[in-house]
Amino acid sequence: AQSVTQLGSHVSVSEGALVLLRCNYSSSVPPYLFWYVQYPNQGLQLLLKYTSAATLVKGINGFEAEFKKSETSFHLTKPSAHMSDAAEYFCAVSPSGGTALIFGKGTTLSVSS
Amino acid sequence: KAGVTQTPRYLIKTRGQQVTLSCSPISGHRSVSWYQQTPGQGLQFLFEYFSETQRNKGNFPGRFSGRQFSNSRSEMNVSTLELGDSALYLCASSLGAQGNQETQYFGPGTRLLVL
Repeated sequence: AQSVTQLGSHVSVSEGALVLLRCNYSSSVPPYLFWYVQYPNQGLQLLLKYTSAATLVKGINGFEAEFKKSETSFHLTKPSAHMSDAAEYFCAVSPSGGTALIFGKGTTLSVSS
Repeated sequence: KAGVTQTPRYLIKTRGQQVTLSCSPISGHRSVSWYQQTPGQGLQFLFEYFSETQRNKGNFPGRFSGRQFSNSRSEMNVSTLELGDSALYLCASSLGAQGNQETQYFGPGTRLLVL
């Protein structure tokens, strides 16, 4: 069965610092991978998705992620954190392109001034 | 276009009762999926409906059921509520073409508290 592991349940950075949120997946076939963000009391918003077109995927709000098959990773980065980036971030995988997403446990990002 | 809407936003029930949650997808979307989010188990897939038929199902007991109407609106029902059913229930809609990895758009969720 496919699974997703997010390393670090909580990440703290200073405003302007690099953001790195880690995600590793287990899959025997090329997966579809996603990063979602959830702000307090809201639903999930798609940041970006990997569908095998390109290994470096650019998303909204300055985020990007790189698919590395050899490391089975799909880490999310942003060069310079902003206070408004404080939220919970979820990595997810889709088995065979279906709609049943398998989510990681989430990483809460805190940004201090 | 209006986004995915869910009603009600908050709900309090007692053990043993049943509850029905509603989800209206984005106009033109035919697929609606439901997820349960809890602090302990995280986000878990419940089921997906497409063209009024359940197309996929997660690993939840039969107390959890759903349906979809001809206008693609979907309802989710939980019978004989247990304390552990307290959660944020999210629905997501998409156009519904399988194997094509469309983007799913999530609603704000219904927060259910079971006392």
